[in-house]
Amino acid sequence: NAGVTQTPKFQVLKTGQSMTLQCAQDMNHNSMYWYRQDPGMGLRLIYYSASEGTTDKGEVPNGYNVSRLNKREFSLRLESAAPSQTSVYFCASTPGLAGSYNEQFFGPGTRLTVL
Amino acid sequence: AQSVTQLGSHVSVSEGALVLLRCNYSSSVPPYLFWYVQYPNQGLQLLLKYTTGATLVKGINGFEAEFKKSETSFHLTKPSAHMSDAAEYFCAVSDGTSGSRLTFGEGTQLTVNP
Repeated sequence: NAGVTQTPKFQVLKTGQSMTLQCAQDMNHNSMYWYRQDPGMGLRLIYYSASEGTTDKGEVPNGYNVSRLNKREFSLRLESAAPSQTSVYFCASTPGLAGSYNEQFFGPGTRLTVL
Repeated sequence: AQSVTQLGSHVSVSEGALVLLRCNYSSSVPPYLFWYVQYPNQGLQLLLKYTTGATLVKGINGFEAEFKKSETSFHLTKPSAHMSDAAEYFCAVSDGTSGSRLTFGEGTQLTVNP
């Protein structure tokens, strides 16, 4: 099993450009998450999908959109990138079953720089 | 609402010394608690977790943590630091509901000096 995979690993954008970060998991998990990591701020939740067909805002959703394409894939889109979105983005997944402990499994991250 | 506070954004220890990373949480329901480790340029991996039962939990690489409800704490310890322990450590809390979110602390960067 590959676990959680993310593409691309690195990306440089100019202000105003758009892009989509891809995430896929092969663990048959129900729930998926997108975080951003900035120095001294830990991980902040952008959006999450508790189950296929549902998405919800997290702590810092402004400037982002998501799509839960199917049970495996959860993409994050920046419609008009801004320098404040320079960050490392992590995707995670968890079984999301009633009674489960919600341990999350993380991808390797995407380093995004917006100039 | 849940929250996590990690005391000390940077901790430095000598190789062979005790490692103590502090975590306090706030939760309106019995929490599930986690410690994750992040090595440079990598994703997060689970060190250990507390769900129910025994309050002293053991994880990978010789780390352990004790859940103290009265102190709302979940401090991470390791008796003897190794150079390979140098990394960033995150404490996180979940309310345990299906599909629920993890709330992370701000992280503690551990440096191990030779």
